[in-house]
Amino acid sequence: GIQVEQSPPDLILQEGANSTLRCNFSDSVNNLQWFHQNPWGQLINLFYIPSGTKQNGRLSATTVATERYSLLYISSSQTTDSGVYFCAVGRNDMRFGAGTRLTVKP
Amino acid sequence: SQTIHQWPATLVQPVGSPLSLECTVEGTSNPNLYWYRQAAGRGLQLLFYSVGIGQISSEVPQNLSASRPQDRQFILSSKKLLLSDSGFYLCAWSRSMDTEAFFGQGTRLTVV
Repeated sequence: GIQVEQSPPDLILQEGANSTLRCNFSDSVNNLQWFHQNPWGQLINLFYIPSGTKQNGRLSATTVATERYSLLYISSSQTTDSGVYFCAVGRNDMRFGAGTRLTVKP
Repeated sequence: SQTIHQWPATLVQPVGSPLSLECTVEGTSNPNLYWYRQAAGRGLQLLFYSVGIGQISSEVPQNLSASRPQDRQFILSSKKLLLSDSGFYLCAWSRSMDTEAFFGQGTRLTVV
């Protein structure tokens, strides 16, 4: 099956800093999503982005499908951005990476 | 709009007892449905997915089974729970395999 690798596994930032999270995948996909898991375990949809670039407020994402990676950018981070960020990819199903645990300190 | 319901939110069950977790989707027809499990501090593992009534694909051999008795209902079951079945179970739906997926609130299962 498709392998999904996320980096870094852990990230600690000061409030206001910017960050880039990376997702590499091992095969061509037609589905790629970024999620934020909040402290209660709920998965919040951030982006559906099998290719191209999207922006939503302080967050943006870019997927280069031909090179099999996606990037999630967080600008001017806030403490509420803390949590685990997952990338999920697939063709006939959806496979998750191990996630990046982000901690934003005040 | 579409909504996904998953219950119960938390569950504590003894080893050897049966399990039934239910997931229903409203506001759409013939959705793709998924069950995932998340062990503590780890990523999500796909357990089952279904593209239609009675059509279940299993991803890993395990102590669990899934059924889809109705178009928008997906059930995760076990006849006898093991300690290793503890975890956070999430149901999800999508319109098709290559469209955005949406998750339920999850069930936190503790087997004691």
